[in-house]
Order: sequence, then structure tokens, then C-alpha cells
Amino acid sequence: DIVMTQSPDSLAVSLGERATINCKSSQSVLYSSNNKNFLAWYQQKPGQPPKVLIYWASTRESGVPDRFSGSGSGTDFSLTISSLQAEDVAVYYCQQYYSTPYTFGQGTKLEIK
Amino acid sequence: QVQLVQSGAEVKKPGASVKVSCKTSDYTFSNYGITWVRQAPGQGLEWMGWISAYNGDTKYAQKFQGRVTMTTDTSTSTAYMELRSLRSDDTAVYYCARSAHSGDYFDYWGQGTLVTVSS
Repeated sequence: DIVMTQSPDSLAVSLGERATINCKSSQSVLYSSNNKNFLAWYQQKPGQPPKVLIYWASTRESGVPDRFSGSGSGTDFSLTISSLQAEDVAVYYCQQYYSTPYTFGQGTKLEIK
Repeated sequence: QVQLVQSGAEVKKPGASVKVSCKTSDYTFSNYGITWVRQAPGQGLEWMGWISAYNGDTKYAQKFQGRVTMTTDTSTSTAYMELRSLRSDDTAVYYCARSAHSGDYFDYWGQGTLVTVSS
């Protein structure tokens, strides 16, 4: 199984500041035939289902604010929120869909400082 | 607007089975698959498996092999997940989510179904 490890486990950032969450996979999730990274980022607020923010490592889902961006390739990825808003308080998960079982990171809890 | 609406909360005794439904609307059901993900209280997300609504092909996590069955009913655009031989550590919120195919991200999610296993 591919193990997804996020860092940090929790993060406190001031409103308007940048927040960066890292995700490392135990093996590459880059599919060489199409040069796509099978990596998604989800946001989960309390009592709600997860919501996809980013897929293919860097493609923003329709309707997601452009302050959210994803980067990285192979085994190392990042989710960046360029200017933190109050509504961004949530737990964030990375997930690989390269090979089954499709595994998630342990989650990063983002709070306001 | 695409919607996935799940059945209500369940309380089951150890050893029993549970069947959760996921009724979809506003998209062509057979063009997508349905993934099931669960989340134990206060814990992270765990992928359970995927089913194609086109032909019923399934992929299950090894952890659930032999205990889980995923099915679809194309006449009602509904997916089902049955988990048998329930244990206390199966207590979780169970989510269905849509994905274009097995190797794909999950773009729409159901609201979740809490399954509590307790004697």
C-alpha cells in the first residue's frame, strides 16, 4: 500500500497569511504514460463530507477560490493557501488514486492564529 | 445539480450486517463509478472500495474483502454498500462519492451515514 504522510499535523496561521501543507507518498504517484500525478487534496469542515479542492496535483476544482493551489510531482506535494480566510479553517487531506487501496494522509488541522 | 443522498443512521449489534444506500441524481449514473469511504469518530478517511455503475465491476480494499459487497441499481440510480460481521471498530461515518472511474478523484460526496456498532 502507498503510505501518505502529511506535515504538519496541525497548523495555526494568521488571517491573510500563507498556509502550506505538505504531503509525501511512499512511492511515486506519477503515471509516466500521461505524465499525471494521481494526487488530490480535500477540505473537510466539522460535520461535513470532504470536498475536493485540487486534483491531478495542481488542477483546481471548479468553484474553488484561486487562493488554493497545489504543486509537486512524484512523491512530494504541497497545498498552499495564499491568503488565509476564516472560512478556510478545516482539516485538509491529500489522497493518492494511483493504486488501490487509494490511501489518504492522516490530515492536517488548520486553525487561525 | 449533482446530488448523492445517503440513507439514515443505523445502530447494529456486533456480528450483524448493515446496508447503506446512496441515491444519486442529476447526472448519468452509468457513466460514473461510486466509491465508499469511511471515517471513524475523530479519525481520518479510509477507502473501502469502488464499483462501476456501468458494468458492476468492483475493487475492494483487501482489509474488507469477504465482508463487503457493493452493488448498484441502475433503474433507480442508487448504489449500495453492505458490510457484514460488524465489529465495534466498524463504528464510523460511511460516505459514498462519485468518481469517473476507479483511478480517479472523488468529485461529489454524499452527506454520510453514521453506523454505530454496539451491544
